[in-house]
Amino acid sequence: KNEVEQSPQNLTAQEGEFITINCSYSVGISALHWLQQHPGGGIVSLFMLSSGKKKHGRLIATINIQEKHSSLHITASHPRDSAVYICAVSGDSNYQLIWGAGTKLIIKP
Amino acid sequence: DGGITQSPKYLFRKEGQNVTLSCEQNLNHDAMYWYRQDPGQGLRLIYYSQIVNDFQKGDIAEGYSVSREKKESFPLTVTSAQKNPTAFYLCASSIDYRRGGWDTQYFGPGTRLTVL
Repeated sequence: KNEVEQSPQNLTAQEGEFITINCSYSVGISALHWLQQHPGGGIVSLFMLSSGKKKHGRLIATINIQEKHSSLHITASHPRDSAVYICAVSGDSNYQLIWGAGTKLIIKP
Repeated sequence: DGGITQSPKYLFRKEGQNVTLSCEQNLNHDAMYWYRQDPGQGLRLIYYSQIVNDFQKGDIAEGYSVSREKKESFPLTVTSAQKNPTAFYLCASSIDYRRGGWDTQYFGPGTRLTVL
């Protein structure tokens, strides 16, 4: 079993829909990261969090440390949100990031 | 503009040849990383460097080599010993590895290597 599991693997939705991507992990962490990978391949960091909730524009990230679970929400989704969303965690005893396999999101106009 | 550049974007090599992938950053970051990405899998760490003239093996270092002679540059050589080198390679940097989980990594655009 992978230490970081994302669901769903693939998600297709219509423009305007509310999107939720989930990330579960099995290790103790110091921080959890959400990143976005566009079709061209480049990766950008969206959020870094260790508790509670963070919001940036239409993106919201939440984390529940007790349940070892995080969610990434996209409100009013748009075709330009189509990308692979990746969850990664930093262990509390090891600085290296442990990566999820990613969720491929397609938003249709 | 500050950032990370990787070249080339696409690279083709014949089996048995070594090939070097370039990674340069002008963010003044101490730490640099090389990752490999295969379809349907998470990123896997090949090598990382915390500071100039120092580097450490990651999870899948076999068949790869690196150098860190300058702060700005962290080239990756894919040797003929790497049994399945066709993949997408990503370079990243961060301010200071000692910040641990709070050290945001900044990624280059990647190099897609195909072995013919």
